[in-house]
Amino acid sequence: GDSVTQMEGPVTLSEEAFLTINCTYTATGYPSLFWYVQYPGEGLQLLLKATKADDKGSNKGFEATYRKETTSFHLEKGSVQVSDSAVYFCALSLGSGYSTLTFGKGTMLLVSP
Amino acid sequence: DVKVTQSSRYLVKRTGEKVFLECVQDMDHENMFWYRQDPGLGLRLIYFSYDVKMKEKGDIPEGYSVSREKKERFSLILESASTNQTSMYLCASRKTTGTYGYTFGSGTRLTVV
Repeated sequence: GDSVTQMEGPVTLSEEAFLTINCTYTATGYPSLFWYVQYPGEGLQLLLKATKADDKGSNKGFEATYRKETTSFHLEKGSVQVSDSAVYFCALSLGSGYSTLTFGKGTMLLVSP
Repeated sequence: DVKVTQSSRYLVKRTGEKVFLECVQDMDHENMFWYRQDPGLGLRLIYFSYDVKMKEKGDIPEGYSVSREKKERFSLILESASTNQTSMYLCASRKTTGTYGYTFGSGTRLTVV
C-alpha cells in the first residue's frame, strides 16, 4: 500500500540554522505531496504542497521539491526561528476526489535561541 | 475564516461509557475525516465520509462508529470507551475537487479512565 517515511526526531537546532527534514514515499500512482505543521496544542495546518514531479512548494520560508526519481519530498528552510518549533508531517494523496491522505509519523523540530 | 470546529478540547470519560465527539465545518466540504494521533504512530484514519449519510472505514475502525446526518457535521462515536482509546482525535474536511488539501480542527484530547 501507499506509505510515507519521515526521519525520526526530535531534530534539535539553534536559531538561524539550516533545516532539512527527509521524506520519502511509496505510492501506486502519481500522488500529490504535502507538508503539514502542528504547533503545540493545535491541529494540523497545511504548510505547502506539490502536485506533480519537479514542482516546488513554498511557504513561510519553507520549501520542498517533488522528486519523482527519488520518490522524495524533503522539507528545507534556510534559517529556522524559535517559532518554527513544531511537529512536521509529510503526507501524500493519490489525488482523486475521494482519496484520503496518508501521513508519515511526524518529525518534531525543536529550535533553541 | 474557514473553520473546522471540534466541540471539546479536552474530555475525560470512564471505561464503558458511550462517547460522542462532534465536528462541524462551515466550508460546504463534501468530505470529512476522523483521525487519531498517538506518539510514535502518527495519524491513523478511523473513518471518513464523502457525502451525507455515507461512511467508509479507514485503517483502524474497530471500536468506533460515525454519523453524518448533515453535510456540515460528522460525529465519531465510541460505543464503549476503553483505556486504549485514550488519544488525540482530529477531524478534517476537504472539497472533492480542487487542491486536495485538508482543513483540520484543533483536536480533542480524550482520556478514558
